Amino acid sequence: DQQVKQNSPSLSVQEGRISILNCDYTNSMFDYFLWYKKYPAEGPTFLISISSIKDKNEDGRFTVFLNKSAKHLSLHIVPSQPGDSAVYFCAASVGAGTASKLTFGTGTRLQVTL
Amino acid sequence: EAGVAQSPRYKIIEKRQSVAFWCNPISGHATLYWYQQILGQGPKLLIQFQNNGVVDDSQLPKDRFSAERLKGVDSTLKIQPAKLEDSAVYLCASSFRGLAGGNTGELFFGEGSRLTVL
Repeated sequence: DQQVKQNSPSLSVQEGRISILNCDYTNSMFDYFLWYKKYPAEGPTFLISISSIKDKNEDGRFTVFLNKSAKHLSLHIVPSQPGDSAVYFCAASVGAGTASKLTFGTGTRLQVTL
Repeated sequence: EAGVAQSPRYKIIEKRQSVAFWCNPISGHATLYWYQQILGQGPKLLIQFQNNGVVDDSQLPKDRFSAERLKGVDSTLKIQPAKLEDSAVYLCASSFRGLAGGNTGELFFGEGSRLTVL
């Protein structure tokens, strides 16, 4: 039962353009969402998060949008840079307390080309 | 600040053998997680500790997997006996106080231990 889905396994974007990575979830109890970035042979690193009380959160070139009615979130990277090439994981949890656990999607591999 | 340390980075064993992975979290982080990431999938939580107590081990295959966190710092994850389907990267992560730690609720991951079971 895949509760967090990233239906695009890969995405290729030109440098300077916008990258849009999508994520869908099925568990309506999820109320906290995060994006992680993973380079080869490294552990995932936190990128940005959003609580369900918001519909947008921005941090520099990264913006996450949340559409609760559609159970959909997206990560926008503008402008895309070659260093953004990595696997991006969407993750969700019920609450953000000490007992909360993350459910991850399968990841989207982003390649930013010159 | 030192990150999450894991060892070994790579391990190759035959099925039915045993293996152990070690994790040293970031100093002061009370919550420690072990995740299993099979190729092509997202990380799956195996066990979560709060200090040295288990918060969640619902997805840990307890007939072959065990984990402990003595003294609430380092942790070890053991697999005995290993099966072919255990081939994966085992990720350790820590956080200050669960997902609400710090300002953004992030987990800090180690580089992972890649297990190949032949």
